[in-house]
Amino acid sequence: EAGVVQSPRYKIIEKKQPVAFWCNPISGHNTLYWYLQNLGQGPELLIRYENEEAVDDSQLPKDRFSAERLKGVDSTLKIQPAELGDSAVYLCASSAGQGALNTEAFFGQGTRLTVV
Amino acid sequence: SQQGEEDPQALSIQEGENATMNCSYKTSINNLQWYRQNSGRGLVHLILIRSNEREKHSGRLRVTLDTSKKSSSLLITASRAADTASYFCATDLRGYQKVTFGTGTKLQVIP
Repeated sequence: EAGVVQSPRYKIIEKKQPVAFWCNPISGHNTLYWYLQNLGQGPELLIRYENEEAVDDSQLPKDRFSAERLKGVDSTLKIQPAELGDSAVYLCASSAGQGALNTEAFFGQGTRLTVV
Repeated sequence: SQQGEEDPQALSIQEGENATMNCSYKTSINNLQWYRQNSGRGLVHLILIRSNEREKHSGRLRVTLDTSKKSSSLLITASRAADTASYFCATDLRGYQKVTFGTGTKLQVIP
């Protein structure tokens, strides 16, 4: 069974440019998460989807970040415009459980973003 | 913001020794999970312990949970070089339906 697939693995962009990340969760998983991880830190939740509904986006900087999960499967996370401080690893995860993370979450390999 | 804090921040042991790392959190939880992260495999779920459980085992891993002290510990017995990784606890905050990760413990197992 394929795991959570993210692309691209690496992205280097100039500041003020837009960037988008894509995530394909494990088939059948209703819950999808986007996390941001800075070097030496734990992942921080940006947004959580239950099917196609964003049920927790309180940590998403909505002035420049947006996300969507069309048809409740794949998801994209966009930053426009990117700032130097957005350099980090963006992780996507999915789980089969509804609601909070009461079951195991499976993580993708992440997209390492560098803004120059 | 990060709810949990792992202790120690870094740990270096010889292969075969046991490794213990701790996680403290601030508010009531539904469950607590431990994850491992290394460069090769990304973040991998290790074990989940619910708030009404006190101890759980999985292979060489033993997790305890003390809700009165708001703390958990992860014990890795008979460590191997392949256990070298960062270990994170993740708490599911009661009433918030939000999971937050701690700051991590970086474990190095020396062959």
